[in-house]
Amino acid sequence: DQQVKQNSPSLSVQEGRISILNCDYTNSMFDYFLWYKKYPAEGPTFLISISSIKDKNEDGRFTVFLNKSAKHLSLHIVPSQPGDSAVYFCAASEFFRPGRDDKIIFGKGTRLHILP
Amino acid sequence: DSGVTQTPKHLITATGQRVTLRCSPRSGDLSVYWYQQSLDQGLQFLIQYYNGEERAKGNILERFSAQQFPDLHSELNLSSLELGDSALYFCASSAQGETTDTQYFGPGTRLTVL
Repeated sequence: DQQVKQNSPSLSVQEGRISILNCDYTNSMFDYFLWYKKYPAEGPTFLISISSIKDKNEDGRFTVFLNKSAKHLSLHIVPSQPGDSAVYFCAASEFFRPGRDDKIIFGKGTRLHILP
Repeated sequence: DSGVTQTPKHLITATGQRVTLRCSPRSGDLSVYWYQQSLDQGLQFLIQYYNGEERAKGNILERFSAQQFPDLHSELNLSSLELGDSALYFCASSAQGETTDTQYFGPGTRLTVL
């Protein structure tokens, strides 16, 4: 049973436009969410995170939005640049709950192509 | 360069064999994580160690085991290998092992089981 789902395996966006990557989760106990970016032949790198007490976190061109009622989060990249072409993994964990589970559950990833 | 090193980069072996993957965390990081990335499963958390002790366990098969040594490097042992174990195995490290710590990933070891 997939607790973290990224339903779009790939996404193509024109350079300079907004890229929106989506992620859904099923476990209502998840309270901490992360996005990782992965280039070919490299390990994933941390991009941005958000805790469940917030609904938005921004870092430069990257903004993550969290909709707890819909169990949905999204990563917005604006403007998109060629170097943003990579695989993006959404991840979730239970952190703030007593007796928490420290496991981070990753989605299967979305491959983002930025078109010139 | 994340500062996390993994050896070997590639490993080709046969079914039924046993292999050991090695990970050296970033200097000063106390926690090590192991992940498996296969084509259809994305990144799957296997196990976490913190300062030599097992901290959290994920979808790690009984044929797999890991340990973290006093110098904080970690090894993932995979035995009785099956074709389905072919995957990329990533190690990551973080400072204290808290979920909110940034995890820094190594470049991975690609395991091919023939």
